[in-house]
Amino acid sequence: AQSVTQPDIHITVSEGASLELRCNYSYGATPYLFWYVQSPGQGLQLLLKYFSGDTLVQGIKGFEAEFKRSQSSFNLRKPSVHWSDAAEYFCAVGPYGGATNKLIFGTGTLLAVQP
Amino acid sequence: DAGVTQSPTHLIKTRGQQVTLRCSPKSGHDTVSWYQQALGQGPQFIFQYYEEEERQRGNFPDRFSGHQFPNYSSELNVNALLLGDSALYLCASSLWLAGETQYFGPGTRLLVL
Repeated sequence: AQSVTQPDIHITVSEGASLELRCNYSYGATPYLFWYVQSPGQGLQLLLKYFSGDTLVQGIKGFEAEFKRSQSSFNLRKPSVHWSDAAEYFCAVGPYGGATNKLIFGTGTLLAVQP
Repeated sequence: DAGVTQSPTHLIKTRGQQVTLRCSPKSGHDTVSWYQQALGQGPQFIFQYYEEEERQRGNFPDRFSGHQFPNYSSELNVNALLLGDSALYLCASSLWLAGETQYFGPGTRLLVL
């Protein structure tokens, strides 16, 4: 079955510290991979996406993610967290090929940033 | 360029009632997907519309139905509301191609009492 696992429900980091949010997926083939961020009461904003090619993907707001096929992982990283990064982060997968782009989301990781 | 818009922003209904939520896609997009996000959960795919037809459906009962209009806007209808239908309903638009980025609207918060 297709699924996305985000093992960390809640993470707290200090402002200026580095961040890594974990994402593991189960999929029949190489999927498209996405990270979205959701601020309280808001919709989802795309941070970055991976389709193919270079396994290290750069996104907006200084985020990056690395696709590791052998580990079925797509972890999100940021070298120095800002207070404005406090939000909920969702990893998602979509089908590679075909004519549909249904997304399967993880349950999210809530990030708190300490001053 | 307006992004994805949804209306209303909030809605309160009682059990058994029916509700209609609306979505206007981002300019240039032809595909609309609907997701349900329960409190503390990730979004769950409801269905997707392209060329005014439902193209794919998630694991939701027939009480959930939709429509896409010639201008690509879409409606989500839910009949016989249950308490468990309380959630944030997100609309996403994209082009009709696998892997195309889906852009999300701000959502409609539905509360069923």
